[in-house]
Amino acid sequence: GQNIDQPTEMTATEGAIVQINCTYQTSGFNGLFWYQQHAGEAPTFLSYNVLDGLEEKGRFSSFLSRSKGYSYLLLKELQMKDSASYLCAVKDSNYQLIWGAGTKLIIKP
Amino acid sequence: DTAVSQTPKYLVTQMGNDKSIKCEQNLGHDTMYWYKQDSKKFLKIMFSYNNKELIINETVPNRFSPKSPDKAHLNLHINSLELGDSAVYFCASSQGVGGAEEQFFGPGTRLTVL
Repeated sequence: GQNIDQPTEMTATEGAIVQINCTYQTSGFNGLFWYQQHAGEAPTFLSYNVLDGLEEKGRFSSFLSRSKGYSYLLLKELQMKDSASYLCAVKDSNYQLIWGAGTKLIIKP
Repeated sequence: DTAVSQTPKYLVTQMGNDKSIKCEQNLGHDTMYWYKQDSKKFLKIMFSYNNKELIINETVPNRFSPKSPDKAHLNLHINSLELGDSAVYFCASSQGVGGAEEQFFGPGTRLTVL
């Protein structure tokens, strides 16, 4: 079966750095996405990785290792508004998105 | 300008009723989706349409029927609503189904079945 694993919840301090991990087992791979979802709102796109390595976009970076079936989302200089759920999703061989259950990130002052 | 819109935002109804949720996108995208997000926040794909044709139809009770009158609209009709149908339903769209195509989500419809 297809599986995406990420921690259920993480806590971090304002101004700090946090890394949210995602491991996946899918039938084929056509890219990995990270989405942010604030409580009561829709998911919004953060990043896309298809090749190994680090993609940096402002305070957010996403890393991919296809051989290890592993990705992480790195958030720097955390702000209170970063409190949200972060969803990892992988496109399989049929280009269908397989979603993780999300990691709820709590930021404390 | 709203990119992906859904109506209604909230829907409270009795068991056994039939209801519809409407979705429209003004992004010119070819592909649209319906997702169900349950209380555990897990997003589950229900249907996907590409240029008005059904391309993904996951294991969903046949009480759920999508309809795409044109590629900008994908509506969801639910017959004989059950308690377990209570969830947030998200519509989404993407330019296509290729690898890098990100999905844009509507604001969601919170369905509560009493």
